[in-house]
Amino acid sequence: DTGVSQNPRHKITKRGQNVTFRCDPISEHNRLYWYRQTLGQGPEFLTYFQNEAQLEKSRLLSDRFSAERPKGSFSTLEIQRTEQGDSAMYLCASSPGRELRSSYNEQFFGPGTRLTVL
Amino acid sequence: GDSVTQMEGPVTLSEEAFLTINCTYTATGYPSLFWYVQYPGEGLQLLLKATKADDKGSNKGFEATYRKETTSFHLEKGSVQVSDSAVYFCALSFLSSGSARQLTFGSGTQLTVLP
Repeated sequence: DTGVSQNPRHKITKRGQNVTFRCDPISEHNRLYWYRQTLGQGPEFLTYFQNEAQLEKSRLLSDRFSAERPKGSFSTLEIQRTEQGDSAMYLCASSPGRELRSSYNEQFFGPGTRLTVL
Repeated sequence: GDSVTQMEGPVTLSEEAFLTINCTYTATGYPSLFWYVQYPGEGLQLLLKATKADDKGSNKGFEATYRKETTSFHLEKGSVQVSDSAVYFCALSFLSSGSARQLTFGSGTQLTVLP
């Protein structure tokens, strides 16, 4: 078990460009979450998936943001027409679903992708 | 909406000192409460949790008690070590079928422990 992985770890882009991040959850975890963390703040929820279904989206997820999890395994987060305010650490987390019958299904976090928009 | 307020940092302590990091929350209903820790260069890790009032979560010498009457979940450790230096986040969530939906985090408290 290698944990949650995210790629790339760092991304520098110019304002107006599109960027895409990838998250590979822990194998067999059917819930996947995206969060955004700006400097000096705690993570803020963006969206989550149960298998391939996107079940909840935050108001922070503007029309320029889109997330997918096409086969219920890895997920991508795309930001179109990036703005300087999008500069942040983007965190992915996964958790087992109810099938594992845990009393609490912990969210395991990846190391994050740091985005800098110039 | 739901929110978490935690003690602002940074906090600097000497090794073996007593640690308290305050956390209070605002939520409709009775959430589950968590402390996460982020060590330098690593991802967030769950430190401890409590899912109902008066529950005490504990791990690695850290403890926190879910106090419904004061809507608090303060983190304590009797004797900190240099290796405890990290950023600590208080968080809440409402569980559905054993799984958290979104986690709502506080702004984090940077702890530095000096030898």
